[in-house]
Parts: sequence; structure tokens; C-alpha cells
Amino acid sequence: EAQVTQNPRYLITVTGKKLTVTCSQNMNHEYMSWYRQDPGLGLRQIYYSMNVEVTDKGDVPEGYKVSRKEKRNFPLILESPSPNQTSLYFCASSLLPNAGNQPQHFGDGTRLSIL
Amino acid sequence: GDSVTQMEGPVTLSEEAFLTINCTYTATGYPSLFWYVQYPGEGLQLLLKATKADDKGSNKGFEATYRKETTSFHLEKGSVQVSDSAVYFCALSESTGFQKLVFGTGTRLLVSP
Repeated sequence: EAQVTQNPRYLITVTGKKLTVTCSQNMNHEYMSWYRQDPGLGLRQIYYSMNVEVTDKGDVPEGYKVSRKEKRNFPLILESPSPNQTSLYFCASSLLPNAGNQPQHFGDGTRLSIL
Repeated sequence: GDSVTQMEGPVTLSEEAFLTINCTYTATGYPSLFWYVQYPGEGLQLLLKATKADDKGSNKGFEATYRKETTSFHLEKGSVQVSDSAVYFCALSESTGFQKLVFGTGTRLLVSP
């Protein structure tokens, strides 16, 4: 089954404690992306990756890091989480090229609470 | 920059009622337009899309027409069901960009029996 898998689904942690949210896709997609969803703001892109070792900032990258060492995995790293990073996070992937027309496949989300 | 504006929710309807969720956009180029749906506790799923002006996207009884003259992509369904209760997101992606989706704020639909 084609899917994007995120882990964990839920996490409550404290300010400053490094955490990683994993994302894995089994569709051999080149493009992967992280979004955060906040009430009244919709989804905003954090980082994206066009392929292995190719990553770039989205609209709200501050406080986040990513890596793309393998095509299937795209972890999101919060080196020193702060309460304003409390949010619902989604990983997505899609094929390239034909930018703009390929639908993105989303994971089920990770709800992070930073106390 | 590019942006998407959706009507505020929640939209509350009775089963079998007609649904319209308004969506307008601002873009510098010729974007592709999408509607995504998010059911409770799940990620977003593509509902329908349109890639050029006057295209109509349709799926599961939902329809939306790409109107370039009014920069709109309103979502419609003739007869909603309780199972349609979800959050609906309008989004655009520039045709020459790198897959970046720009989302509206989402509209929650609540359908009662």
C-alpha cells in the first residue's frame, strides 16, 4: 500500500529537549516536504527536498532542521524545541518533475506539544 | 506572493443539503488548483484538482471549476452526507514552481443527520 508514515503520532515534551519526527514514504517519490498546521493559518511549508541531499527552506523554517540521506526518509529535527513550535505537523511526498500537477501524498500527522 | 482565501467555517448543513465552499486565489502565474480533505485524525487527501482555466475537477460527487476571470475555485456538492464531515482545504501550486502548495486556512464542514 502506498503511504507516507510519520512517527510519533503524538508527543508531549519540554522546552529545549531535542526531538526528531521521522517520515518515510514507499512510493519512490523524489519530492518530500514538511508542513505545520495551526488554527486560522492553514498549512505552512517548513522545509522541502527535491531529492537525496537536496533540501531547501520553506516559509517557516526557523527552529527546524531536516536531512535527506535516503530517498525514502525525510526526518524533521527540532534541536531546541520551544512552545511556539507546538503544532500539528504533516509530511508529504510526490513525484517530480511536472511541478504543480502531481498530487502530494500526506502522512497522518504528528501532534507535538512543547511545554 | 501567492495566497488562497477560503470562507470561514464551520459550515453546518443537514444531510442531503447543497454545499458550496468558496475559494479565491491570488497568483502571479498560472497555478494548478486543488481541494484537499482532512477527516478527523487523518492527513490530507487530494479530493480533486484542475490544472488550467475552465477545467472542472470532480470526485465523490464534489466538483470545482477553475475560473480564471474571477480567480475562484469554489467547491460544490449537490447532496452532502454525514460522512462528508471534515475540513476542506483549497490550495494552489504554481505550474513553474517546485511543488510548493499554498493552502487556504481550511473550512470545517459539519453534516447532521
